[in-house]
Amino acid sequence: EAGVTQFPSHSVIEKGQTVTLRCDPISGHDNLYWYRRVMGKEIKFLLHFVKESKQDESGMPNNRFLAERTGGTYSTLKVQPAELEDSGVYFCASSGPRPSEAFFGQGTRLTVV
Amino acid sequence: KQEVTQIPAALSVPEGENLVLNCSFTDSAIYNLQWFRQDPGKGLTSLLLIQSSQREQTSGRLNASLDKSSGRSTLYIAASQPGDSATYLCAALDSNYQLIWGAGTKLIIKP
Repeated sequence: EAGVTQFPSHSVIEKGQTVTLRCDPISGHDNLYWYRRVMGKEIKFLLHFVKESKQDESGMPNNRFLAERTGGTYSTLKVQPAELEDSGVYFCASSGPRPSEAFFGQGTRLTVV
Repeated sequence: KQEVTQIPAALSVPEGENLVLNCSFTDSAIYNLQWFRQDPGKGLTSLLLIQSSQREQTSGRLNASLDKSSGRSTLYIAASQPGDSATYLCAALDSNYQLIWGAGTKLIIKP
């Protein structure tokens, strides 16, 4: 069974550009989470989907970040326009019925220059 | 507000030694606690998950314990190997179903 897949694995963009990260959760997992780790800091929660609905987006830093989960399957996280402080590793995780184990993707390393 | 702390921040030990990594959390109202490892430039690998009703979990040379009343979890690694070198992270699933993370312990096993 495929695990959580994230794409791209690495992205380098210029300040002001747009980047879209994608996450494919484990098939059948209704819960999908986005987390990120910026340099030197702990991993922080961004938001949580249950199927296609945003359950909790309290961790989204500002309105430059937009997350969607089309049809309750894969999710995208768009950053527009990107700023230097957005650089970091963005992790996606999925889980079955809560509270169950979260399975993480390999992360997308975003570098804004 | 839940806070998770990991001590030490870094640890270097000779190969073959047993070692303990510590994780503490401020709010005992957690659903579970997970231990992960992260290799440089790589993603997160789940090692062990302890449900709030459990006291410990074991997988191979790894043993994780949970004491909710004291707000502590430990990860015990037996007979350490150079391949165990990585950053170890603990995360508590809080009452809002968010994982609250520690900063990690960077472990180096010297051959």
